[in-house]
Amino acid sequence: AQSVAQPEDQVNVAEGNPLTVKCTYSVSGNPYLFWYVQYPNRGLQFLLKYITGDNLVKGSYGFEAEFNKSQTSFHLKKPSALVSDSALYFCAVRDGGGGADGLTFGKGTHLIIQP
Amino acid sequence: DGGITQSPKYLFRKEGQNVTLSCEQNLNHDAMYWYRQDPGQGLRLIYYSQIVNDFQKGDIAEGYSVSREKKESFPLTVTSAQKNPTAFYLCASSMVAFGGSASDTQYFGPGTRLTVL
Repeated sequence: AQSVAQPEDQVNVAEGNPLTVKCTYSVSGNPYLFWYVQYPNRGLQFLLKYITGDNLVKGSYGFEAEFNKSQTSFHLKKPSALVSDSALYFCAVRDGGGGADGLTFGKGTHLIIQP
Repeated sequence: DGGITQSPKYLFRKEGQNVTLSCEQNLNHDAMYWYRQDPGQGLRLIYYSQIVNDFQKGDIAEGYSVSREKKESFPLTVTSAQKNPTAFYLCASSMVAFGGSASDTQYFGPGTRLTVL
């Protein structure tokens, strides 16, 4: 079975500072990893994904994520936080050996950017 | 939210009633998914369908039913057998490469909030 852990329910960052939202995963095969963002009462918006290749993945809105196989982690990062980045962030995983079945999500991390 | 629409945005159900949530996509995607979101629990997979007239149960299928008669549509029925249906329901879709691909990105609709009265 595959699983995702987001160890922090909430992360607080001052505007302009770098931010990190943590994610660790467990999967039997090669991991395909995804980050999504959700604003209140809205659907999820895709930010970025890691499939293979370069461990540093760049995505939408200046976000990036670093895949670390030895630590089974896929932390989301941004060099300079904006107040508008405040939202709920989800990490998700899928076994690369599987087909187009569903994603397994973490419980989410609330990111709060303080002005 | 792109080309995926969900209706209604808010839905109220009485005890013992069945209700159907609509999901339509105009992205020409092959696969469609239903997830349930509860506070502090992330998203959990209810059902998914990779092609028309075929679908599979997810992790929490009990008390739910689906159909996939058209590529564009994947309605979800919440039956009276679902004991705790109050939640936010999200539909998603993805393109499926030949043979299926685990790398395809899922895109989400705006969601339907279901409340049991």
